[in-house]
Amino acid sequence: AQTVTQSQPEMSVQEAETVTLSCTYDTSESDYYLFWYKQPPSRQMILVIRQEAYKQQNATENRFSVNFQKAAKSFSLKISDSQLGDAAMYFCAYSYTGNQFYFGTGTSLTVIP
Amino acid sequence: NAGVTQTPKFQVLKTGQSMTLQCAQDMNHNSMYWYRQDPGMGLRLIYYSASEGTTDKGEVPNGYNVSRLNKREFSLRLESAAPSQTSVYFCASRMGQQGARGYTFGSGTRLTVV
Repeated sequence: AQTVTQSQPEMSVQEAETVTLSCTYDTSESDYYLFWYKQPPSRQMILVIRQEAYKQQNATENRFSVNFQKAAKSFSLKISDSQLGDAAMYFCAYSYTGNQFYFGTGTSLTVIP
Repeated sequence: NAGVTQTPKFQVLKTGQSMTLQCAQDMNHNSMYWYRQDPGMGLRLIYYSASEGTTDKGEVPNGYNVSRLNKREFSLRLESAAPSQTSVYFCASRMGQQGARGYTFGSGTRLTVV
């Protein structure tokens, strides 16, 4: 069974600083996909970044980047130059080919002005 | 663009009452999903529809039924609501079944069963 673990229920960061959110997963597959979703207080789930397991290069989207360590089954999210609008719940998710995404339990990020 | 639209946004039910959550997408996506979100448990899949005319159970289907009315619409029905079904419900869609494509989510329905 695939599982996704986010071991940090809460994190905080000073505005303009950098923060890293951790995620580990368990799978026996070699090709799969990993995602980070952001859920602000509005409840809307927003895709932040995705990573294909067959790609060695870490994905980046502006201030967001990942550190993908396939052998360690680790997929952390780095947010640089943190902004007040980054405050949200962040969910790590895994998907193999098929219909189900497996989500972690989330990390609540607070940005301190 | 509307994306994925869910109605209602909030609902309070009494135990034993029934209701249907509505979901519609305007992106011509083939696959649609219903998830529930509970504190400390992330999102869990209730039912999904890989394509028009098909539906399948997810991780937590008990107490729910679904209908894929057409390509755009996928509804979730609670026949006899129970307090354990108090949750936030999300509808999502994506183009195909390929894992590379992330979901587009609706804005959620907060359901309270008293």
